[in-house]
Amino acid sequence: TQLLEQSPQFLSIQEGENLTVYCNSSSVFSSLQWYRQEPGEGPVLLVTVVTGGEVKKLKRLTFQFGDARKDSSLHITAAQPGDTGLYLCAGVLLVFGKGTRLSVIA
Amino acid sequence: GAVVSQHPSWVICKSGTSVKIECRSLDFQATTMFWYRQFPKQSLMLMATSNEGSKATYEQGVEKDKFLINHASLTLSTLTVTSAHPEDSSFYICSARPGSGGSGREQYFGPGTRLTVT
Repeated sequence: TQLLEQSPQFLSIQEGENLTVYCNSSSVFSSLQWYRQEPGEGPVLLVTVVTGGEVKKLKRLTFQFGDARKDSSLHITAAQPGDTGLYLCAGVLLVFGKGTRLSVIA
Repeated sequence: GAVVSQHPSWVICKSGTSVKIECRSLDFQATTMFWYRQFPKQSLMLMATSNEGSKATYEQGVEKDKFLINHASLTLSTLTVTSAHPEDSSFYICSARPGSGGSGREQYFGPGTRLTVT
């Protein structure tokens, strides 16, 4: 069974701060996806990483896929209140991490 | 593009009754749709994979006779919760994977259906 561990589970920061969220597994994934979910809504796909060592940027969000394709990270620069939400990573077999609940305080 | 809708967005039903939830891909054809359940403050748990024109594949621990899935067309899948009980109360989310285009890995989620069984 492929399991994904996300850390931290909860994160509350001030507006303007930087943060990193991690997604780790003992299994190798051919790809990983990151989603953001707001309360009462479905997850929205942010990015798919495929190649080991790959770095993708989406405005203030930087996603990295580990060289061994077992882990990934999401770094947010200068967090804004609009970044608040549940961030989920998912493997190709539709296994989701437990998520990181981010709260950005203005 | 890649919009998925669900109906209803929320439903309250009495214990013992059945509830049908629809999932539609509005601007693409989805050969595969997925049904998830999410309890408060928890992540998504895959319930079943639905392929158009064939029987759904259920995850371990999910009762196929209780959660009936029908994927009759390339744009519609339905989940029927039969003989619902309060413990079935949850947020049900579907997703759809385009049959062509993209990397073949993406799935697009519906907005979810909140089911409350009283």
